Amino acid sequence: SQQGEEDPQALSIQEGENATMNCSYKTSINNLQWYRQNSGRGLVHLILIRSNEREKHSGRLRVTLDTSKKSSSLLITASRAADTASYFCATDANKSGGSYIPTFGRGTSLIVHP
Amino acid sequence: DVKVTQSSRYLVKRTGEKVFLECVQDMDHENMFWYRQDPGLGLRLIYFSYDVKMKEKGDIPEGYSVSREKKERFSLILESASTNQTSMYLCASSPSWGYGEKLFFGSGTQLSVL
Repeated sequence: SQQGEEDPQALSIQEGENATMNCSYKTSINNLQWYRQNSGRGLVHLILIRSNEREKHSGRLRVTLDTSKKSSSLLITASRAADTASYFCATDANKSGGSYIPTFGRGTSLIVHP
Repeated sequence: DVKVTQSSRYLVKRTGEKVFLECVQDMDHENMFWYRQDPGLGLRLIYFSYDVKMKEKGDIPEGYSVSREKKERFSLILESASTNQTSMYLCASSPSWGYGEKLFFGSGTQLSVL
């Protein structure tokens, strides 16, 4: 079952512009993570934000979390062609065997035109 | 850096064949996961394991089984491959302590069942 849903499904921008993608989820979470996937490859972890945090930065990435709205956003500033990829949010609402199971959304496909 | 290695990048099998997808991680992680990824559906969890010889079903376990005889290796088995199992298969691992630990992914295996 999909816990997080990204929006928009696809985003096309010019190099230098900012890219914003959103993630909404259904149940309470302990943390939310964002991953990136280059075409045909595995996912790479970008950033994790915990439920008691509201904003987090990592280089050109800025993530916000609004637990009252059950939503998060990922902002990539000054985008580059190399940022072209799919971006996924993952939440950890489920717990089994002592571990939390990350559940992924369907992703946002970002294209950055040079 | 953690390395998660999937044995094959591309695999072509025939309907009815028994298929083994292998995954090895080198960081002594407790948790290992198998996801499948299909266009428009995102990542869906097939099975996961939080210890040697332990396994739990994910969201879509039908038609699959898994094996974890050693901590570093987690195998996904398609008992009798069918065309609707054509997909990208992604293996991941994570440490067990606390919550919110990030996943480390392999590069994926693109399986085609003819």
